[in-house]
Amino acid sequence: ETAVFQTPNYHVTQVGNEVSFNCKQTLGHDTMYWYKQDSKKLLKIMFSYNNKQLIVNETVPRRFSPQSSDKAHLNLRIKSVEPEDSAVYLCASSFRGYEQYFGPGTRLTVL
Amino acid sequence: GDSVTQTEGPVTVSESESLIINCTYSATSIAYPNLFWYVRYPGEGLQLLLKVITAGQKGSSRGFEATYNKETTSFHLQKASVQESDSAVYYCALGEGADRLTFGKGTQLIIQP
Repeated sequence: ETAVFQTPNYHVTQVGNEVSFNCKQTLGHDTMYWYKQDSKKLLKIMFSYNNKQLIVNETVPRRFSPQSSDKAHLNLRIKSVEPEDSAVYLCASSFRGYEQYFGPGTRLTVL
Repeated sequence: GDSVTQTEGPVTVSESESLIINCTYSATSIAYPNLFWYVRYPGEGLQLLLKVITAGQKGSSRGFEATYNKETTSFHLQKASVQESDSAVYYCALGEGADRLTFGKGTQLIIQP
């Protein structure tokens, strides 16, 4: 049963454009995450948010920014995409740092 | 930094045969890492298969087992008899609690009927 929802499923865009991906969780969790899975299938954490506070921010380009309106939503904005941003972006959530639940992912292709 | 290395796939196993997917880890920033196996079935999102938070302990789920071996820094995934429904991609991971997860590259498992 899916409880972490991501939109869109796929997105194709041109270099230099801005994109935004949405994530919503209905589990009542207090922490949400964004991961990037690149072409080599390596899954790396990008951001995590706890009670609207950024608590983990791995070294990612400044064009990436997480946006949270409440603890159930964590969107990911990429300002001026580049070819190396092509990847699958996974959203996840957890409660007090216990088991993470993942969404189905958004596949981004940058032409 | 922390890292996880696991069997490179795809791994092909015949139904009812045994399986082992190797996983070794290096935890330089976490004194007592928690270890996880996640699985992604076709068309579904990543989900937790099993986890072990104490060295020396074994975790099990859906017939799969993994033992947290601190001496060899390993957390191999095993199953005595695989089924076609086990076809998926398996990820080994370590974390501080369930936070700050570091994943391996994943191992695609193909079960032949």
